[in-house]
Amino acid sequence: EVRLVQSGAEIKKPGATVKISCKVSGYTFTDFYLHWVLQAPGKGLQWMGLVDPEDGQTFYAENFQGRVTITADTSTDTAYMELSSMTSDDTAVYYCATANYWGQGTLVTVSS
Amino acid sequence: AIQMTQSPSSLSASVGDRVTITCRASQGVGVDVGWYQQKPGKAPKLLIYAASSLQSGVPSRFSGSGSGTDFTLTISSLQPEDVATYYCLQDHNLWTFGQGTMVEIK
Repeated sequence: EVRLVQSGAEIKKPGATVKISCKVSGYTFTDFYLHWVLQAPGKGLQWMGLVDPEDGQTFYAENFQGRVTITADTSTDTAYMELSSMTSDDTAVYYCATANYWGQGTLVTVSS
Repeated sequence: AIQMTQSPSSLSASVGDRVTITCRASQGVGVDVGWYQQKPGKAPKLLIYAASSLQSGVPSRFSGSGSGTDFTLTISSLQPEDVATYYCLQDHNLWTFGQGTMVEIK
């Protein structure tokens, strides 16, 4: 069974950095790109970026260039998404995903 | 970046109705489009991939069509459990989602 299991909810202060993990099982980690998607409260899905676990190559959405870092650790089959300089606008559920499979989502709340 | 324009933003239909949602890409994407269903508090679920291929386990009342720039998701006979928000996604060049369509029962 394919599973993408994400780390738990976070509460951050404005200006802080969050790092979310996504542990993959049930398929070969290096076979598929791993994407990160955010969904602000009551809003649609927004693509943030991806990592190719095979070689670590990354691509980021223009909106997040310079603030987001996505990495993959093939020794633990885990991907990470780090978002810096957070504001209240970054309050959202963050998902890791392949095309077919999605994590359960991680709620990040940014509040002073 | 490729933009995906999805319409309508919401619709209300009766049980048994045929429902159609469309997405237009800002440039040709071949058949590199998928459709997702999302229910409140849940992760999106893949319904259709490669524009018209039905994901395993998805009811056959869901179908997709299109190529190039224009794509359609059809629910042939709307059921109460289909109440959800639907998103198109292009994966021809990175990923771009449509804005979503909220489907309700009249």
